Amino acid sequence: GQNIDQPTEMTATEGAIVQINCTYQTSGFNGLFWYQQHAGEAPTFLSYNVLDGLEEKGRFSSFLSRSKGYSYLLLKELQMKDSASYLCAALDSNYQLIWGAGTKLIIKP
Amino acid sequence: IAGITQAPTSQILAAGRRMTLRCTQDMRHNAMYWYRQDLGLGLRLIHYSNTAGTTGKGEVPDGYSVSRANTDDFPLTLASAVPSQTSVYFCASSDSNSGGGNEQFFGPGTRLTVL
Repeated sequence: GQNIDQPTEMTATEGAIVQINCTYQTSGFNGLFWYQQHAGEAPTFLSYNVLDGLEEKGRFSSFLSRSKGYSYLLLKELQMKDSASYLCAALDSNYQLIWGAGTKLIIKP
Repeated sequence: IAGITQAPTSQILAAGRRMTLRCTQDMRHNAMYWYRQDLGLGLRLIHYSNTAGTTGKGEVPDGYSVSRANTDDFPLTLASAVPSQTSVYFCASSDSNSGGGNEQFFGPGTRLTVL
């Protein structure tokens, strides 16, 4: 079966760095997405990785290891507005997104 | 409008009633999707459409139907609502069904309660 695993909840301090991990098992693989979802709102796109390595975009970076079926999202210089759920999703061989349940990130002052 | 809209924002529905959730995008995207999101679960695909005139079943299609008469609109119909269909429904669109880095853009969601 297809499966995405990510932690249910994480807590971090304002100004710090946090890494949210995601492991995936899919039938075929065509890339890995990260989305941010604030409570009561729609998901919004953060990043896409299809090749191994780190993609940096401002305070946010995303890493992919295809051989390990593993990705992480790295958030630096955390701000209170980063409190949200972070959704990991893998694109399978049919180009359908398989979604994780999301990681709720709580930022404390 | 710019982007993707959904209506209604929220709805309380008696079990057994028929309900259509509306979704419209003005980005001329080929592909559109309907998801439901339940607490503790990931987004689950209900139905999708790769292009106008075609539709396909996702992970949880039972009890739902869709149509794609044109590029912009992708309504989702619950023929006879049941309490297990209580959820938040998101419509999304993307530039192409052939994936790659084509992100999906989401509508604001419809919160549906079936009593």
